[in-house]
Amino acid sequence: EIMVTQSPATLSVSPGERATLICRASQSVSSNLAWYQQKPGQAPRLLIYATSTRATGIPARFSGSGSGTEFTLTISSLQSEDFAVYYCQQHNKWPWTFGPGTAVEIK
Amino acid sequence: EVQLVESGGALVQTGGSLRLSCVASGFTFSTYWMNWVRQTPGKGLEWVATIKEDGGEKQYVDSVKGRCTISRDNSKNSVYLEMNSLGVEDTAVYYCARDGAPPGIFFDKWGQGTVVAVSS
Repeated sequence: EIMVTQSPATLSVSPGERATLICRASQSVSSNLAWYQQKPGQAPRLLIYATSTRATGIPARFSGSGSGTEFTLTISSLQSEDFAVYYCQQHNKWPWTFGPGTAVEIK
Repeated sequence: EVQLVESGGALVQTGGSLRLSCVASGFTFSTYWMNWVRQTPGKGLEWVATIKEDGGEKQYVDSVKGRCTISRDNSKNSVYLEMNSLGVEDTAVYYCARDGAPPGIFFDKWGQGTVVAVSS
């Protein structure tokens, strides 16, 4: 099973600032890495798949990069609606596994 | 608009059984792989099961293999998760989720979730 880790666990950011979230896999997942956003009481929402492809309707301030075992989600200028928990998930090899999440909170 | 609506969650005792349902709308259901994903405060998000468009292929996470069965009825735009021999570790919010696109499995649309609570 591919283990997925995320750092930091919590990220404190001021509105308008840039946020950088890290996701690491225990073995190469090629470019098959997705990111999700989850707000309290809601289901996760797909932001990005295949490392850098934004899902339909996702603003351009969300971008993804990386390959192999290390990946980054960047939110270029945090808006109030972006404060949430972000999860990454590898879609390279069964079983499909998620990271534990990074909570982005208001500084 | 794509919608996935789960139902069937309940409070059950250990060893019990439950059948979760998910009704889909707003897309051609029979052309998508479908999934169940669960979430707990302790273990986070965990993929549970996947079923191919025609039901001909199914995948399960090891922790539910032999205890859970995923199925679908394309005439009813529905996917199901039959769960048996439930343990406290199965307590979670269960989400129905649509597969995005190859390669692999990721989840491009999610339902609102249904709560399964298993008590001893």
